[in-house]
Parts: sequence; structure tokens; C-alpha cells
Amino acid sequence: DGGITQSPKYLFRKEGQNVTLSCEQNLNHDAMYWYRQDPGQGLRLIYYSQIVNDFQKGDIAEGYSVSREKKESFPLTVTSAQKNPTAFYLCASSYGSNTEAFFGQGTRLTVV
Amino acid sequence: KQEVTQIPAALSVPEGENLVLNCSFTDSAIYNLQWFRQDPGKGLTSLLLIQSSQREQTSGRLNASLDKSSGRSTLYIAASQPGDSATYLCAVFTTDSWGKLQFGAGTQVVVTP
Repeated sequence: DGGITQSPKYLFRKEGQNVTLSCEQNLNHDAMYWYRQDPGQGLRLIYYSQIVNDFQKGDIAEGYSVSREKKESFPLTVTSAQKNPTAFYLCASSYGSNTEAFFGQGTRLTVV
Repeated sequence: KQEVTQIPAALSVPEGENLVLNCSFTDSAIYNLQWFRQDPGKGLTSLLLIQSSQREQTSGRLNASLDKSSGRSTLYIAASQPGDSATYLCAVFTTDSWGKLQFGAGTQVVVTP
């Protein structure tokens, strides 16, 4: 089945730790995105990538980093510089800016 | 800057009633508008995509309209069922910034049996 796989489903981070969220897609999409969702708020864009080895900051990139070494993979690292990382993180992909976007099932990150 | 608004934030209807969900956006320079469904603790499921040149799109009991000039889209769900209970989000791809899918905060729908 084609789709987007995010792992893990739940992730716990200690203060001062970096953690990496995985996102893999087998839809052959060029574009991939990371969004953050907080209760009562809409999704906010963290980073996006149009092609391999290229990515741009979204609205809330501070404290996050990404890489795009392969077309099918777009991992997100939440660094210790992100002061309020507890949130639901969603990965998405699409062929381009005027095509349908598809989402993974999300990773819930909690700081302990 | 594009802003997307969904009103009301929450809606409760009895089973069988038609649902009408509203989405408004401030900048008409969009590539497309997409409606999603989100169940609690889950990712987003794409329902309908309307290209900027289209006026409406239909899939089963769902119909979405788009009026770019007034910055509005409406999602109609006919003959609602308890299984339609979820949060519905609309999002637009703006032409001023590639790749930026701008979301509304969503409408939480409860369909009571």
C-alpha cells in the first residue's frame, strides 16, 4: 500500500535531549512537509522540501532541523533549543504545490 | 499574509441532518483548497481537493464548493451519520509562498444518534 509512515507513534524526551522523528513515503512525491499541531490551534509549518538535498524553513523552524538525503525520507530533529516541544507532529507529502497533500498518522512528542 | 478561518469551532447535529461547514480565506491567490478529516489522536485524511479553476468537487455524500472572489469554501455532508463525528480542517496552497499549505483551526463535529 502506498502511503506515509511516521515513527514512532509516541516519543518521550528528557530535558536537553535531541530526538529525531521519522517520516517515510512510498508515493514517489517530490515535496515533503513537517507540521506541528497544538490543542485548539491549526497546523503550523515547520520545514518543507521540494526536492532532494533542498529544504526551506516554515513559520516555526527555530529549534528544529531536517535533512532530505533521499526522496522518500524527511526526518525531523527536535533539538534542545526548542523550548516547548510537546506537541503532535505531522508529516505530509505531495507531488507539488498544486496537488493533493497526504498526511501520515503523526507522532506525539512529550517532554518528561 | 494568508489567513484561514473556520466558523463555527464546534457543531453538534442529530443523525440524518445535513452538515454545512464553512471556510474563509483572506487572499484569493491560491493554487487550490483541500478539505481534511481528523479523528482524535490521528493524522489527517484528505476528503476533497478543489483546484482554483474549479467551482465544486463531489465525492459520495460530500460536496465542496469554492468561491475564490469572496474567499469562501463550503463543505456539505449529506445525511450525517455518527461515523462522521470528527474535526474537519480546510487548507489552502498559496501562490505567494511555494509549499505553504495554510490551515484553518478546524470545526469539531459531533453527530448524535
